[in-house]
Amino acid sequence: DAKTTQPTSMDCAEGRAANLPCNHSTISGNEYVYWYRQIHSQGPQYIIHGLKNNETNEMASLIITEDRKSSTLILPHATLRDTAVYYCIVFGHIFNKFYFGSGTKLNVKP
Amino acid sequence: EAGVAQSPRYKIIEKRQSVAFWCNPISGHATLYWYQQILGQGPKLLIQFQNNGVVDDSQLPKDRFSAERLKGVDSTLKIQPAKLEDSAVYLCASRLPGLAGVETQYFGPGTRLLVL
Repeated sequence: DAKTTQPTSMDCAEGRAANLPCNHSTISGNEYVYWYRQIHSQGPQYIIHGLKNNETNEMASLIITEDRKSSTLILPHATLRDTAVYYCIVFGHIFNKFYFGSGTKLNVKP
Repeated sequence: EAGVAQSPRYKIIEKRQSVAFWCNPISGHATLYWYQQILGQGPKLLIQFQNNGVVDDSQLPKDRFSAERLKGVDSTLKIQPAKLEDSAVYLCASRLPGLAGVETQYFGPGTRLLVL
């Protein structure tokens, strides 16, 4: 049911930027790209979302390609506390259903 | 602002027994969701409420699962009878209705169920 493809796992050195890719080649014009993360034994946490333009907030940046078929979540200075599973979700309000795939397990290493 | 509360945090039961989980969403959040998360997988939506009405329960195994949100605030999810494959974390989330397409859900810590 998930309409996104993400790598199963990635490693990142502490203090470096973590770039998490997501493919969503079947995204339609009214669908947003959302990113959530889930730290071990916690519920998922909202990070950021976007439609067409790049977005930035205090947690991360979201870069969406011009054709909107893929996006990248950027954590500019990863810390050990950023170790989590990151979910990329395509959400269209008209369908009103949230599909989580299996996500990317990000391991931030000292 | 208080977050989404869930109880119990952990539950161990034997198969064919019954179990109930409780969720209290963030105050003022009209939309409430129950998700099932099996180990190693992403959360799967079971049911969505808007106030006290069901919006989507298409993935709820209705022969054994039931959920209610009678007064449009807190909610209960029940499993009767439980099967081994129901072992999972049950997550509750809530959302404040906002702009179309803005789907910021706030999740509780979950209830970890083990069926023996």
